[in-house]
Amino acid sequence: EIVLTQTPLSLSVRPGEAASISCRSSQSLFGSDEGNTYLDWYLQRPGQSPQLLIYTVSYRASGVPDRFSGEGSGTDFSLKISRVEAEDVGIYYCMQRMNFPWTFGPGTRVDIK
Amino acid sequence: QVRLKESKTGLVRPSQTLSLTCTVSGGSMTSSRSYWIWFRQLPGKGLEWIGYIYDMGITYYNPSLKSRVTISSDTSQNQFSLEMKAMTAADTAVYYCARKPPISLVRGSIRNHGVDVWGQGTTVTVS
Repeated sequence: EIVLTQTPLSLSVRPGEAASISCRSSQSLFGSDEGNTYLDWYLQRPGQSPQLLIYTVSYRASGVPDRFSGEGSGTDFSLKISRVEAEDVGIYYCMQRMNFPWTFGPGTRVDIK
Repeated sequence: QVRLKESKTGLVRPSQTLSLTCTVSGGSMTSSRSYWIWFRQLPGKGLEWIGYIYDMGITYYNPSLKSRVTISSDTSQNQFSLEMKAMTAADTAVYYCARKPPISLVRGSIRNHGVDVWGQGTTVTVS
């Protein structure tokens, strides 16, 4: 089973500031068959279901503001929020779909100072 | 726009079988060729993938749950279901159904999309 580690586990940010979350995988998430790297990012706002932000490392899901970006390769990935807004509060999870079982990181809690 | 809604079960007795149904609206399960997925979230903890069904019959399960789980679909009702046998208190969680679209080709590159639609979740307590 692939283990994902996220750092930090919590983050307090002022509105308008940038934030960055790291996700490290115990194995490479690159799939040579399609040439994709199977790492997604999700946000779970308080009391809500998770929502997709970024898929296969860097593609923003439909409707996701461009202040969210993802990058990385192999085993090291990051999610960046260029200017945090109040609505960005919640828990951010990375998830890998390279191997079964799909697994999630432990989550990074982001709140506003 | 596809929407998903889980049935509500609430309380399940230990050793009994959990049965949940996810109703798909806003699109046909058969024509979309999507992956229909179940996740759960244990109290105060992170997310766990249970398994999925696609092509209306091909299933993959989390090995940690495989011996107890069955995911099936009823395309005539536009629904898919989760059965989990031998429930224990450790299975108390919020259960989510979700959808991953099929692979698409965009400007010459293969896009393998993430899980883009989630149900609201249903709380299952084993007691």
